[in-house]
Amino acid sequence: GQSLEQPSEVTAVEGAIVQINCTYQTSGFYGLSWYQQHDGGAPTFLSYNALDGLEETGRFSSFLSRSDSYGYLLLQELQMKDSASYFCAANDYKLSFGAGTTVTVRA
Amino acid sequence: NAGVTQTPKFRVLKTGQSMTLLCAQDMNHEYMYWYRQDPGMGLRLIHYSVGEGTTAKGEVPDGYNVSRLKKQNFLLGLESAAPSQTSVYFCASSPGQGFWTQYFGPGTRLLVL
Repeated sequence: GQSLEQPSEVTAVEGAIVQINCTYQTSGFYGLSWYQQHDGGAPTFLSYNALDGLEETGRFSSFLSRSDSYGYLLLQELQMKDSASYFCAANDYKLSFGAGTTVTVRA
Repeated sequence: NAGVTQTPKFRVLKTGQSMTLLCAQDMNHEYMYWYRQDPGMGLRLIHYSVGEGTTAKGEVPDGYNVSRLKKQNFLLGLESAAPSQTSVYFCASSPGQGFWTQYFGPGTRLLVL
């Protein structure tokens, strides 16, 4: 099975940088995904790391270290619309999700 | 493309009643999944399918059954609903082996009284 740990909530101001850490314990692992969910709506895919290192997609970046069973999502130049829940998920042909991190962006 | 759609959007059941949730995708994806999400928790996998005619149990399968008779549809059944099954149910699909991005439907909110 899979077990993922991430902080429950983070608050930051517009324009700031937020890092959401995720540690995992898995019995099988292909990579780490990140999903965003606004107000209980449909989760949407943000990023996927199959290999160690940094993946950059616009203002969002994701990092993976397989040796440390650790990853993070970096949100830069925070905007109000980034207020949402962010989930890390471990891939082993199906996804196992962490409990989610609620990010609140203040003006 | 509509992507992933779910029917119904909201439903209230009485304990012991049965119902079927329908998920449909028009992206020709091989894999489909059913999750439930409870307040303050992540998504937990109920059942999944890696192809037409195949299903498998996920993390929390008890009290649910599924069928994948057609590639584009994945049905989730509750034979005898219980208050513990009050939740938001999400369906998702992905292309298949090596393509892990999942595309989620809008969710079905189920209240069991």
